[in-house]
Amino acid sequence: DIQMTQSPSSLSASVGDRVTIPCRASQSISYYLNWYQQQPGKAPKLLIYAASNLQSGVPSRFSGSGSGTDFTLTITSLQPEDFATYYCQQNYMTPWTFGLGTKVEIK
Amino acid sequence: QVTLKESGPVLVKPTETLTLTCTVSGFSLSNARMGVSWIRQPPGKALEWLAHIFSNDEKSYTTSLKSRLTISKDTSKSQVVLTMTNMAPVDTATYYCARRTTIAASGLYYYYAMDVWGQGTTVTVSS
Repeated sequence: DIQMTQSPSSLSASVGDRVTIPCRASQSISYYLNWYQQQPGKAPKLLIYAASNLQSGVPSRFSGSGSGTDFTLTITSLQPEDFATYYCQQNYMTPWTFGLGTKVEIK
Repeated sequence: QVTLKESGPVLVKPTETLTLTCTVSGFSLSNARMGVSWIRQPPGKALEWLAHIFSNDEKSYTTSLKSRLTISKDTSKSQVVLTMTNMAPVDTATYYCARRTTIAASGLYYYYAMDVWGQGTTVTVSS
Protein backbone atom coordinates (compact mmCIF):
# COMPACT_ATOMS: atom_id res chain seq x y z
CA ASP A 1 0.00 0.00 0.00
CA ILE A 2 1.13 3.58 -0.60
CA GLN A 3 1.86 5.44 2.63
CA MET A 4 1.15 9.15 2.83
CA THR A 5 3.22 11.10 5.34
CA GLN A 6 2.19 14.47 6.68
CA SER A 7 4.60 16.19 9.01
CA PRO A 8 4.19 18.15 11.17
CA SER A 9 0.97 16.86 12.65
CA SER A 10 0.16 20.38 13.79
CA LEU A 11 1.41 23.90 13.32
CA SER A 12 0.59 27.27 14.83
CA ALA A 13 0.04 30.35 12.72
CA SER A 14 -1.58 33.76 12.88
CA VAL A 15 -4.27 35.34 10.75
CA GLY A 16 -2.59 36.76 7.66
CA ASP A 17 0.32 34.29 7.71
CA ARG A 18 1.43 32.24 4.74
CA VAL A 19 1.28 28.55 5.61
CA THR A 20 2.77 25.58 3.76
CA ILE A 21 1.70 22.02 4.52
CA PRO A 22 3.82 19.20 3.12
CA CYS A 23 2.79 15.69 2.10
CA ARG A 24 5.03 12.86 0.95
CA ALA A 25 4.08 9.61 -0.77
CA SER A 26 6.04 6.39 -0.23
CA GLN A 27 6.28 5.94 -4.00
CA SER A 28 5.65 8.08 -7.03
CA ILE A 29 1.98 8.94 -7.52
CA SER A 30 2.41 11.37 -10.42
CA TYR A 31 -0.22 14.09 -9.95
CA TYR A 32 -2.83 11.82 -8.33
CA LEU A 33 -3.00 13.76 -5.09
CA ASN A 34 -5.96 15.52 -3.52
CA TRP A 35 -6.19 17.82 -0.51
CA TYR A 36 -9.14 17.99 1.88
CA GLN A 37 -9.97 20.41 4.67
CA GLN A 38 -11.84 19.25 7.74
CA GLN A 39 -13.23 21.65 10.29
CA PRO A 40 -14.13 20.32 13.74
CA GLY A 41 -17.31 18.28 13.75
CA LYS A 42 -17.76 18.52 10.00
CA ALA A 43 -17.23 16.31 6.99
CA PRO A 44 -14.09 16.80 4.92
CA LYS A 45 -14.23 19.21 2.00
CA LEU A 46 -12.30 18.87 -1.25
CA LEU A 47 -9.88 21.76 -1.75
CA ILE A 48 -7.38 20.71 -4.40
CA TYR A 49 -7.44 17.87 -6.92
CA ALA A 50 -4.75 16.49 -9.22
CA ALA A 51 -2.09 18.13 -7.04
CA SER A 52 -2.64 21.72 -8.13
CA ASN A 53 -6.19 22.29 -9.32
CA LEU A 54 -8.51 24.39 -7.20
CA GLN A 55 -11.93 22.86 -6.63
CA SER A 56 -14.82 25.08 -7.66
CA GLY A 57 -15.80 27.53 -4.95
CA VAL A 58 -12.55 27.25 -2.99
CA PRO A 59 -10.86 30.59 -2.30
CA SER A 60 -7.82 31.41 -4.41
CA ARG A 61 -5.62 31.79 -1.31
CA PHE A 62 -5.37 27.98 -1.41
CA SER A 63 -2.96 26.41 -3.86
CA GLY A 64 -1.26 23.08 -4.37
CA SER A 65 1.98 22.03 -5.97
CA GLY A 66 4.18 19.01 -6.47
CA SER A 67 4.35 15.75 -8.36
CA GLY A 68 5.85 12.34 -7.90
CA THR A 69 6.37 11.91 -4.17
CA ASP A 70 6.44 15.44 -2.75
CA PHE A 71 3.49 17.79 -2.54
CA THR A 72 2.62 21.03 -0.80
CA LEU A 73 -0.57 22.81 0.13
CA THR A 74 -0.11 26.55 0.54
CA ILE A 75 -2.47 29.00 2.16
CA THR A 76 -1.58 32.61 1.57
CA SER A 77 -2.97 35.10 4.08
CA LEU A 78 -4.54 32.68 6.55
CA GLN A 79 -8.12 33.51 7.48
CA PRO A 80 -9.96 32.61 10.72
CA GLU A 81 -12.04 29.98 8.92
CA ASP A 82 -8.88 28.25 7.69
CA PHE A 83 -8.00 26.91 11.13
CA ALA A 84 -8.74 23.26 10.49
CA THR A 85 -7.09 19.93 9.73
CA TYR A 86 -5.77 19.27 6.25
CA TYR A 87 -5.42 15.81 4.74
CA CYS A 88 -3.68 14.69 1.60
CA GLN A 89 -4.96 11.59 -0.22
CA GLN A 90 -3.51 9.58 -3.07
CA ASN A 91 -5.67 8.42 -5.96
CA TYR A 92 -2.90 6.67 -7.85
CA MET A 93 -3.83 3.14 -6.92
CA THR A 94 -6.10 1.26 -4.58
CA PRO A 95 -6.19 1.06 -1.69
CA TRP A 96 -6.48 4.82 -1.75
CA THR A 97 -4.85 6.27 1.35
CA PHE A 98 -4.94 9.45 3.41
CA GLY A 99 -2.17 11.08 5.35
CA LEU A 100 -2.63 11.49 9.10
CA GLY A 101 -3.40 15.18 8.68
CA THR A 102 -1.89 18.50 9.66
CA LYS A 103 -3.85 20.62 12.11
CA VAL A 104 -3.48 24.37 11.65
CA GLU A 105 -3.95 26.05 15.00
CA ILE A 106 -4.16 29.66 16.08
CA LYS A 107 -0.92 31.07 17.43
CA GLN B 1 -28.01 19.18 -5.98
CA VAL B 2 -25.86 16.20 -5.10
CA THR B 3 -26.28 14.81 -1.59
CA LEU B 4 -25.28 11.69 0.28
CA LYS B 5 -26.69 10.60 3.61
CA GLU B 6 -25.47 7.82 5.86
CA SER B 7 -27.77 5.80 8.07
CA GLY B 8 -27.36 2.90 10.42
CA PRO B 9 -27.19 1.93 14.08
CA VAL B 10 -25.69 4.27 16.62
CA LEU B 11 -24.59 1.45 18.90
CA VAL B 12 -23.44 -2.08 18.13
CA LYS B 13 -22.12 -4.78 20.39
CA PRO B 14 -18.72 -6.42 20.03
CA THR B 15 -18.73 -9.31 17.53
CA GLU B 16 -21.87 -8.02 15.84
CA THR B 17 -22.09 -7.08 12.16
CA LEU B 18 -22.50 -3.41 11.25
CA THR B 19 -24.66 -2.48 8.27
CA LEU B 20 -24.53 1.10 7.01
CA THR B 21 -26.52 2.59 4.16
CA CYS B 22 -25.59 5.56 2.03
CA THR B 23 -28.53 7.08 0.18
CA VAL B 24 -27.55 9.34 -2.68
CA SER B 25 -29.45 11.92 -4.69
CA GLY B 26 -28.62 14.20 -7.58
CA PHE B 27 -26.67 11.56 -9.50
CA SER B 28 -27.04 7.96 -10.60
CA LEU B 29 -24.99 5.05 -9.28
CA SER B 30 -24.93 3.76 -12.86
CA ASN B 31 -23.10 6.86 -14.11
CA ALA B 32 -19.78 5.60 -15.50
CA ARG B 33 -17.88 8.60 -14.13
CA MET B 34 -18.98 8.04 -10.56
CA GLY B 35 -18.70 5.72 -7.64
CA VAL B 36 -19.12 5.80 -3.88
CA SER B 37 -16.53 5.29 -1.16
CA TRP B 38 -16.81 4.72 2.56
CA ILE B 39 -14.35 6.44 4.87
CA ARG B 40 -14.19 6.35 8.66
CA GLN B 41 -12.67 8.49 11.37
CA PRO B 42 -12.18 7.32 14.95
CA PRO B 43 -12.59 10.06 17.56
CA GLY B 44 -9.66 12.47 17.39
CA LYS B 45 -7.92 10.47 14.67
CA ALA B 46 -7.32 10.60 10.95
CA LEU B 47 -9.50 9.64 8.00
CA GLU B 48 -9.28 6.04 6.86
CA TRP B 49 -10.55 4.98 3.43
CA LEU B 50 -12.45 1.68 3.71
CA ALA B 51 -14.08 0.64 0.46
CA HIS B 52 -15.33 1.76 -2.94
CA ILE B 53 -17.86 0.57 -5.46
CA PHE B 54 -17.59 1.58 -9.10
CA SER B 55 -20.45 2.09 -11.52
CA ASN B 56 -19.74 -1.30 -13.13
CA ASP B 57 -20.07 -2.96 -9.71
CA GLU B 58 -16.34 -3.50 -9.33
CA LYS B 59 -15.27 -3.21 -5.69
CA SER B 60 -12.11 -2.26 -3.85
CA TYR B 61 -11.23 -2.56 -0.16
CA THR B 62 -8.59 -1.36 2.24
CA THR B 63 -6.02 -4.06 2.84
CA SER B 64 -6.23 -4.30 6.63
CA LEU B 65 -10.03 -4.74 6.76
CA LYS B 66 -10.67 -6.56 3.50
CA SER B 67 -11.77 -9.78 5.16
CA ARG B 68 -14.42 -7.99 7.22
CA LEU B 69 -15.90 -5.60 4.65
CA THR B 70 -18.50 -5.99 1.94
CA ILE B 71 -19.76 -3.14 -0.21
CA SER B 72 -22.77 -3.37 -2.50
CA LYS B 73 -25.23 -1.12 -4.25
CA ASP B 74 -28.85 -1.01 -5.30
CA THR B 75 -28.98 1.39 -8.22
CA SER B 76 -32.77 1.48 -8.32
CA LYS B 77 -32.85 2.63 -4.71
CA SER B 78 -29.80 4.92 -5.06
CA GLN B 79 -28.20 3.19 -2.10
CA VAL B 80 -24.77 1.87 -1.28
CA VAL B 81 -24.46 -0.55 1.62
CA LEU B 82 -21.37 -1.33 3.67
CA THR B 83 -21.23 -4.27 6.03
CA MET B 84 -18.44 -4.81 8.53
CA THR B 85 -18.32 -8.05 10.46
CA ASN B 86 -16.98 -8.84 13.91
CA MET B 87 -17.14 -5.31 15.23
CA ALA B 88 -14.82 -4.32 18.10
CA PRO B 89 -14.45 -1.19 20.26
CA VAL B 90 -11.59 0.01 18.01
CA ASP B 91 -14.16 0.29 15.21
CA THR B 92 -15.90 3.11 17.06
CA ALA B 93 -15.85 5.98 14.58
CA THR B 94 -17.75 8.38 12.40
CA TYR B 95 -18.44 6.69 9.10
CA TYR B 96 -18.73 8.80 5.96
CA CYS B 97 -19.77 8.00 2.43
CA ALA B 98 -18.50 10.16 -0.41
CA ARG B 99 -18.99 10.38 -4.14
CA ARG B 100 -15.84 9.80 -6.16
CA THR B 101 -16.06 11.33 -9.58
CA THR B 102 -13.97 12.05 -12.64
CA ILE B 103 -13.17 15.62 -11.79
CA ALA B 104 -10.79 16.44 -14.63
CA ALA B 105 -9.28 14.99 -17.77
CA SER B 106 -6.09 15.88 -19.56
CA GLY B 107 -5.42 13.98 -22.74
CA LEU B 108 -5.37 10.31 -21.83
CA TYR B 109 -5.29 11.01 -18.11
CA TYR B 110 -8.32 11.15 -15.86
CA TYR B 111 -8.27 12.59 -12.37
CA TYR B 112 -10.63 11.60 -9.61
CA ALA B 113 -11.66 13.04 -6.27
CA MET B 114 -14.20 12.58 -3.52
CA ASP B 115 -16.04 15.79 -4.22
CA VAL B 116 -19.23 15.43 -2.19
CA TRP B 117 -19.42 13.88 1.28
CA GLY B 118 -22.24 12.88 3.54
CA GLN B 119 -22.53 14.38 7.00
CA GLY B 120 -21.31 11.16 8.61
CA THR B 121 -22.87 8.76 11.09
CA THR B 122 -21.31 7.96 14.44
CA VAL B 123 -21.09 4.33 15.45
CA THR B 124 -20.09 3.23 18.93
CA VAL B 125 -19.07 -0.34 19.64
CA SER B 126 -19.73 -1.29 23.23
CA SER B 127 -21.36 -4.03 25.22
